[in-house]
Amino acid sequence: RKEVEQDPGPFNVPEGATVAFNCTYSNSASQSFFWYRQDCRKEPKLLMSVYSSGNEDGRFTAQLNRASQYISLLIRDSKLSDSATYLCVVIITGGFKTIFGAGTRLFVKA
Amino acid sequence: EAGVTQSPTHLIKTRGQQATLRCSPISGHTSVYWYQQALGLGLQFLLWYDEGEERNRGNFPPRFSGRQFPNYSSELNVNALELEDSALYLCASSLRGSGAYNEQFFGPGTRLTVL
Repeated sequence: RKEVEQDPGPFNVPEGATVAFNCTYSNSASQSFFWYRQDCRKEPKLLMSVYSSGNEDGRFTAQLNRASQYISLLIRDSKLSDSATYLCVVIITGGFKTIFGAGTRLFVKA
Repeated sequence: EAGVTQSPTHLIKTRGQQATLRCSPISGHTSVYWYQQALGLGLQFLLWYDEGEERNRGNFPPRFSGRQFPNYSSELNVNALELEDSALYLCASSLRGSGAYNEQFFGPGTRLTVL
């Protein structure tokens, strides 16, 4: 079993749709969580950190459920520019290990 | 402020050769991470350096090695190249002091092709 698992997609949604991605992790020593975005043939860039209390940044909302060991990303009012691969990232306690999920591909269509 | 830089952008080698990839972190960052991203696959953690020391390594054979210099720049060396080493190699840097909450900033990567 992979330490961090994501649905690879692709998710094909129309503009304006709401889409949600989940990511599960297996290491209970996981301490920090992030969502990164990676455009085709580009480097990953931080989208947002994920906190237990949940956090929102504009159209993006991230949630962490430690009991069930998953994090989620919700994108509201999808834009064409949201088309990308979304990477779930887990950092193990002490920062000794950073684990990236394989990514979920999102295509937003006009 | 300059971001993470990597060189070369592209590198073509043949099987059995050695490859050296370079990374310069953001000014003030002491941690450097190396990742391998093979086509269609996720990022696989290779190495983490901080303050000149190797802090952790991923599940890669010993022919993948590296070092971090006093100016915090880093080098990744891949010996005895194999065809399956063809991938995008990404370097990231972060502030060490903020513990596990470090945001990692990525460079544009080096695309290594092994023929």
